[in-house]
Amino acid sequence: EAQVTQNPRYLITVTGKKLTVTCSQNMNHEYMSWYRQDPGLGLRQIYYSMNVEVTDKGDVPEGYKVSRKEKRNFPLILESPSPNQTSLYFCASSSGTSGSIHTQYFGPGTRLTVL
Amino acid sequence: AQSVTQLGSHVSVSEGALVLLRCNYSSSVPPYLFWYVQYPNQGLQLLLKYTTGATLVKGINGFEAEFKKSETSFHLTKPSAHMSDAAEYFCAVSASGNTGKLIFGQGTTLQVKP
Repeated sequence: EAQVTQNPRYLITVTGKKLTVTCSQNMNHEYMSWYRQDPGLGLRQIYYSMNVEVTDKGDVPEGYKVSRKEKRNFPLILESPSPNQTSLYFCASSSGTSGSIHTQYFGPGTRLTVL
Repeated sequence: AQSVTQLGSHVSVSEGALVLLRCNYSSSVPPYLFWYVQYPNQGLQLLLKYTTGATLVKGINGFEAEFKKSETSFHLTKPSAHMSDAAEYFCAVSASGNTGKLIFGQGTTLQVKP
């Protein structure tokens, strides 16, 4: 089954404790992206990756890091989480071809709470 | 700057009634437009999309949307609501440039009353 998976689905942590949210897709997609969803704000892009070893900032990258060492994986790293990073996070992927890049498939989400 | 506005954060309809969720966008380039649905505790599922061609787009679960360039709108409709349609709906527009970014509206929660 074609899918995007994220782990963990739920996470409660404390300020300053480094964490990683994993994202994996099995569709051989070139493009992957992270969004955060906050009430009343919709989804906002954090980082994206056009292919292996190619990443760039989205609209709200502060406090986050990413890496793309393999095509299927795109982990999101919070080196020193703060309470304002409490949010619902989504990973998405799509084919990198022109015309298809915006048709994105989303993972189930990771609900993060930073105390 | 591109943006998406969804009119009404909450919409309530009776089962069997028409569903109309409004979306207006601003874009300096021909947009790709999307509607996603999010059921409780789940990820976003693509309902339908407009890229080029026919302006009336049909999606899954009986939903459709019409791209109206003159009105910069992409409203989502369904003739007859089902209880299972209760969810949050997001309209999105493709950002300019080759970043793949989608710009989302703030979402509309659809409530379906028996």
